[in-house]
Amino acid sequence: AQSVTQPDIHITVSEGASLELRCNYSYGATPYLFWYVQSPGQGLQLLLKYFSGDTLVQGIKGFEAEFKRSQSSFNLRKPSVHWSDAAEYFCAVGSPRGTALIFGKGTTLSVSS
Amino acid sequence: GAVVSQHPSWVICKSGTSVKIECRSLDFQATTMFWYRQFPKQSLMLMATSNEGSKATYEQGVEKDKFLINHASLTLSTLTVTSAHPEDSSFYICSASESGPGEQYFGPGTRLTVT
Repeated sequence: AQSVTQPDIHITVSEGASLELRCNYSYGATPYLFWYVQSPGQGLQLLLKYFSGDTLVQGIKGFEAEFKRSQSSFNLRKPSVHWSDAAEYFCAVGSPRGTALIFGKGTTLSVSS
Repeated sequence: GAVVSQHPSWVICKSGTSVKIECRSLDFQATTMFWYRQFPKQSLMLMATSNEGSKATYEQGVEKDKFLINHASLTLSTLTVTSAHPEDSSFYICSASESGPGEQYFGPGTRLTVT
């Protein structure tokens, strides 16, 4: 079955520290992979996406993610977290055929000062 | 960039009434639109997929007679929650995609509260 797993429900990181949010997927075909961020009561904002090519993708707000096919992972990283990064982060997988996205359950990021 | 709007952004209605939510692609033609529902502190769950001019395809467990979806044009899809009940209170998010492969563009969401 197609699925996305975000193993960490809640992560707390000190401001200025590095961050890695994990995402594993199960998908029968070539996956399109996405990371979105959602602030409370708000819609989704696309951080980055991977369709093909270079497995290390750069996104907005200083985020990057690395696609590892052998591990079925697409982990999100940021070298230095800012207090404004506190939000809910969703990993999602889709297909090249433009079907609906399958979302993970999300990881809540808290940033401590 | 591609922009998707939703209207209203929030709505409160009484139990038993119907409410319509609009999803518009503002600067592109959306051959396919998706409707998701998100309960508090949970992930997005796909409700249905609609293609312009065709009947929507509903996910298992979603009542098609309760959640009416119309995709009448390449820029507009509507979701009507009929005979709403408090358990229908949720955050409804639409997304739209152009023809062919690529990403989806998400609307800002509509918060529905049924009292």
